[in-house]
Amino acid sequence: DAGVIQSPRHEVTEMGQEVTLRCKPISGHNSLFWYRQTMMRGLELLIYFNNNVPIDDSGMPEDRFSAKMPNASFSTLKIQPSEPRDSAVYFCASSLGGKAGLYNEQFFGPGTRLTVL
Amino acid sequence: AQTVTQSQPEMSVQEAETVTLSCTYDTSENNYYLFWYKQPPSRQMILVIRQEAYKQQNATENRFSVNFQKAAKSFSLKISDSQLGDTAMYFCAFMKHGANNLFFGTGTRLTVIP
Repeated sequence: DAGVIQSPRHEVTEMGQEVTLRCKPISGHNSLFWYRQTMMRGLELLIYFNNNVPIDDSGMPEDRFSAKMPNASFSTLKIQPSEPRDSAVYFCASSLGGKAGLYNEQFFGPGTRLTVL
Repeated sequence: AQTVTQSQPEMSVQEAETVTLSCTYDTSENNYYLFWYKQPPSRQMILVIRQEAYKQQNATENRFSVNFQKAAKSFSLKISDSQLGDTAMYFCAFMKHGANNLFFGTGTRLTVIP
């Protein structure tokens, strides 16, 4: 298995531009997570999906951020318009999810390093 | 809300020696999971070890073991026979039983010195 795939690995953009980060979860996994990692705040959960449905988006910082999961094999995180303070590493992770009470390991992608100038 | 605290921003250890990384957490939950993740310079997040709160026995994975003290809400990671490849950021994380989201500490940067 190729693992969780994220693209691009690096993105440099100018303030005000739209940024789209992409994630392909591990085949068969039905939970998908978007995390942001910064020096100041560490790793924070932004949003997660179960069976393509957003379950908890309380970590999304503001309306400039949106995430979609149109099907089981693809998700996007969009920032519009981008700001310098959005510069961070964005991780996607996936897990089998599923039955309550069972632990399912989250597998992380390699991350996208975003720099907003 | 759950909080995870790692009070050691940086640590170093001589190769082949043993090092312990500290983690404390705060929760009102009785059933949960605790994790240690490794993030090497490649940025990849790698699960090192997991502990279920209902298990009294400390988890071990080869050179990695934990000291889980539920009453004290402490979860330290011991790395024995440190190797150069252990150089990385280490994150402690918490997950409530039945939930899916992880809460991470701020990390400890470990350097193994040859």
